[in-house]
Amino acid sequence: RKEVEQDPGPFNVPEGATVAFNCTYSNSASQSFFWYRQDCRKEPKLLMSVYSSGNEDGRFTAQLNRASQYISLLIRDSKLSDSATYLCVVRDTGGFKTIFGAGTRLFVKA
Amino acid sequence: DTGVSQNPRHKITKRGQNVTFRCDPISEHNRLYWYRQTLGQGPEFLTYFQNEAQLEKSRLLSDRFSAERPKGSFSTLEIQRTEQGDSAMYLCASSLGLVGTTYEQYFGPGTRLTVT
Repeated sequence: RKEVEQDPGPFNVPEGATVAFNCTYSNSASQSFFWYRQDCRKEPKLLMSVYSSGNEDGRFTAQLNRASQYISLLIRDSKLSDSATYLCVVRDTGGFKTIFGAGTRLFVKA
Repeated sequence: DTGVSQNPRHKITKRGQNVTFRCDPISEHNRLYWYRQTLGQGPEFLTYFQNEAQLEKSRLLSDRFSAERPKGSFSTLEIQRTEQGDSAMYLCASSLGLVGTTYEQYFGPGTRLTVT
């Protein structure tokens, strides 16, 4: 079993749609959680950290359920520019060993 | 440019040759990470430095791979006797190592290695 597993993609949605990505992790000792975005042939960039209380950044909402070892990302009012691969990231205590999921590809079409 | 830089951006080599990649992290970052990414996969952790000390190595890092960060600034990743399976994007990232921070990692643009 992979340490971080994500929804298989790709997701094809129309502009304005709401889309949700899920991620599960296997190491219950994991301490920090993130969503990264990666555009085609580019490096990953931090989208947002994920906190136990849930957090929102504009159209993006992230949730963490430690008991279920589950992370989610919700994108509202999708834009064409949201088309990218979304990577779920889990980090251990001390912040160095970092495990990325395989990513979920999102295509937003006009 | 104050971001993470990597050189070269592309490298084509023949099987059996040695290659070396360089990463220059953000200047005030004391932590440096190397990852490997293949098509359709997320980055896979290879190794990590805090200052000049290499503190963690993945089992993915075979004996043919070695990484250094001699003065706690730039880092090099060397692959000896390259194999076709080494073809991938090699990503470097850096972060601050301050307790209480999120240790956000900033990635460089990567070095794409093709072994023929």
